Amino acid sequence: AQKVTQAQTEISVVEKEDVTLDCVYETRDTTYYLFWYKQPPSGELVFLIRRNSFDEQNEISGRYSWNFQKSTSSFNFTITASQVVDSAVYFCALGLNTGGFKTIFGAGTRLFVKA
Amino acid sequence: DGGITQSPKYLFRKEGQNVTLSCEQNLNHDAMYWYRQDPGQGLRLIYYSQIVNDFQKGDIAEGYSVSREKKESFPLTVTSAQKNPTAFYLCASSTGEREGVHEQYFGPGTRLTVT
Repeated sequence: AQKVTQAQTEISVVEKEDVTLDCVYETRDTTYYLFWYKQPPSGELVFLIRRNSFDEQNEISGRYSWNFQKSTSSFNFTITASQVVDSAVYFCALGLNTGGFKTIFGAGTRLFVKA
Repeated sequence: DGGITQSPKYLFRKEGQNVTLSCEQNLNHDAMYWYRQDPGQGLRLIYYSQIVNDFQKGDIAEGYSVSREKKESFPLTVTSAQKNPTAFYLCASSTGEREGVHEQYFGPGTRLTVT
């Protein structure tokens, strides 16, 4: 099976709290790509990060960080010191390139950051 | 400014009418995609095109049609055969499948309401 599970449907935090969005993926392919996208209320998805399956290094970009663990098939996303502008729906996605192109999106996690 | 344009932002149609959604990109990307998003759900792939004059069905192609006559343009027609066409439609583009699966860049979306 090939799928992406974002078990958290909605998360609500108070500004300045840290928050982690979970993403678990399933694939038997050895080469694959993982992505996170942000969808603010305007509706347009914004690309945040791309990782390939051979690069397990964690990444930090400002207040954002990503933890990729192949052993648990997870690619979690942490926002440090959350801000109201972080309120959005966040999608994790799995990109596969065998037998034809395919990007599989999770159902998304809606994050509310309250002032 | 490079990007993806979708028009119109809101579209209303009567049941039984075909309607065409516009998508234009000036990013010089080879690949273009159409997704459908229903409330509280992730993105589902309708059609994609890796190159001009070629396109492939996605997971939910029934009731939809596309064309790719120019690199910049990938219009989607929602036909009267689509049983539940009311949804948010997102167009995206990427550099394609060379050297792996790449991130996609999204347009602002078209919200279609059919009554």
